[in-house]
Amino acid sequence: NAGVTQTPKFRVLKTGQSMTLLCAQDMNHEYMYWYRQDPGMGLRLIHYSVGEGTTAKGEVPDGYNVSRLKKQNFLLGLESAAPSQTSVYFCASSLGGSGANVLTFGAGSRLTVL
Amino acid sequence: GQSLEQPSEVTAVEGAIVQINCTYQTSGFYGLSWYQQHDGGAPTFLSYNALDGLEETGRFSSFLSRSDSYGYLLLQELQMKDSASYFCALGSQGNLIFGKGTKLSVKP
Repeated sequence: NAGVTQTPKFRVLKTGQSMTLLCAQDMNHEYMYWYRQDPGMGLRLIHYSVGEGTTAKGEVPDGYNVSRLKKQNFLLGLESAAPSQTSVYFCASSLGGSGANVLTFGAGSRLTVL
Repeated sequence: GQSLEQPSEVTAVEGAIVQINCTYQTSGFYGLSWYQQHDGGAPTFLSYNALDGLEETGRFSSFLSRSDSYGYLLLQELQMKDSASYFCALGSQGNLIFGKGTKLSVKP
């Protein structure tokens, strides 16, 4: 039972480079989320998806794009990385509906943009 | 929009009881959740209140009052392993918005 798996776990980018973070869940959850966590800022929602083929903006969506082509995968893309995007990124999933409040998180991906 | 406020830090001694408060502003939500996160780890679900009142799960209890826009997490019989950050979160319209977290330090 893998739960939620994020790849890569660590990445260093130069300003202007692009990259994609991959999130995979094996729990057949409908909802998936991407959060970023910065010191003193808690968890801030970037984008989320309430089902395959759907995405929606969260609190801090600028500079990021997402895709949910398959139910089990949720991709987070940075087209042109900036130092302000240095953060720890967490993917999460939930059953949805009334179970939407119970999120299962991945281990996190630490991204540094130089 | 939605916003949540919780204390940034709380310190307590082993064996004691500690309450972490959460006040919020929202136009509507399904429920209030609590998550625990140890340093370097991922957040994990602790408790959820869909209705007003107290929910108890072992040493942890959570309370919600919609009329007061207020909730709290109560930790009893504190143990050293309870040292972590605790987040309250509002669930609505398919997403979950988190507070900035309360860092709990448990001293011997």
